[in-house]
Amino acid sequence: NAGVTQTPKFQVLKTGQSMTLQCAQDMNHEYMSWYRQDPGMGLRLIHYSVGAGITDQGEVPNGYNVSRSTTEDFPLRLLSAAPSQTSVYFCASSHGGSNTGELFFGEGSRLTVL
Amino acid sequence: SQQGEEDPQALSIQEGENATMNCSYKTSINNLQWYRQNSGRGLVHLILIRSNEREKHSGRLRVTLDTSKKSSSLLITASRAADTASYFCALNFGNEKLTFGTGTRLTIIP
Repeated sequence: NAGVTQTPKFQVLKTGQSMTLQCAQDMNHEYMSWYRQDPGMGLRLIHYSVGAGITDQGEVPNGYNVSRSTTEDFPLRLLSAAPSQTSVYFCASSHGGSNTGELFFGEGSRLTVL
Repeated sequence: SQQGEEDPQALSIQEGENATMNCSYKTSINNLQWYRQNSGRGLVHLILIRSNEREKHSGRLRVTLDTSKKSSSLLITASRAADTASYFCALNFGNEKLTFGTGTRLTIIP
């Protein structure tokens, strides 16, 4: 059972480039979310989804887009990367949402924007 | 900010000792969760405690919640080298968002 799979694990971008971080889960979880982790700041919620076709903003959504066309996938798009988006990105999923159950995390995607 | 604040930021203890870390918050919560993160890895869920619960156990882990003081503590008994990790509290306020603190870095000295 793979759980939550994130790709790529490492990525280097130049300022202004675009890219998509992929996240897939095989647990049939309705809830999926994206966090970024920066030193000294903990994890901050970027976007989340409570089901296919439904997305909403978290604490730091600017510069990021998401979509949820299937239950399994929740890609995070950076349309025009900035150095401030250098971070470690984590995707997480849950059966009942964060107000009822635990989050299962992927191993992270480490992004550097030059 | 609705972020939880963990204390201490870093903790080093000898193997076999108990480790205690605390999380304080300012706004009433629906539940509070503790997660562990090993270096370079994703977070792993440890325990969820609801606002109407006062204490929960899981193996060597004991979590308490005092809603009157708006604080929680995580106790790890009989620590092992494998417990070396960062520990985060995460707060849920009854919505679909989970807010993480900045974490406690625990080092177990063999």
